[in-house]
Amino acid sequence: SYVLTQPPSVSVAPGQTASITCGGDNIGSKSVHWYQQKSGQAPILVVYNDVRRPSGIPERFSGSNSDNAATLTISGVEAGDEADYYCQVWDNTIDRAFGGGTKLTVL
Amino acid sequence: QVQLVQSGAEVKKPGDSVKVSCKTSGYTFTSYATHWVRQAPGQRLEWMGWIDAGSGKTKVSEKFQGRVTFTSDAFAAISYMEVSGLKSEDTAVYYCARPPRGITALDSWGQGTLITVSS
Repeated sequence: SYVLTQPPSVSVAPGQTASITCGGDNIGSKSVHWYQQKSGQAPILVVYNDVRRPSGIPERFSGSNSDNAATLTISGVEAGDEADYYCQVWDNTIDRAFGGGTKLTVL
Repeated sequence: QVQLVQSGAEVKKPGDSVKVSCKTSGYTFTSYATHWVRQAPGQRLEWMGWIDAGSGKTKVSEKFQGRVTFTSDAFAAISYMEVSGLKSEDTAVYYCARPPRGITALDSWGQGTLITVSS
């Protein structure tokens, strides 16, 4: 199986920048996608193919990917960004895989 | 716009089976796969598999092989997921989701269906 590792939690003050990492073996060679999930709601895709944003997602959300870690960066964090964030990849052995999720707390 | 609307919550007993539906609209049903993802209370998202609505081909995650079946009705544009031999550990919210063409992400999701397994 392919394991994706995320920090359980990240805390940031409003207006600051939050960085959430996703580690996996040679993840830099894979396309990484990021989802935001607020309590009791279905996930929303916020970044796909490492760096691209779906329409309607603010420019404050950005992604990067290299070597063994992908990163979701949220600049100018707002209270409404408080949520769980999951990374996801496709691998030809296991198809889709999700990370363990990171709870973003806005202080 | 693309919409996926799932069937309502159910309570089942251990050993029962459950079938969840995912009614789609706003796109050509047979041109896309439908994926299924579940989330146990307080746990991570867990990918279960997919069905190609055009060909009927399916892929089931190794963890669920033998217990999970995906089917679809092209005329009604509905995908189904059936889980048999339910255990308490199967208590979860089950989501259907659709990927964009040529991309391995999932950009459209159903609202989720809570399946509770309890004796």
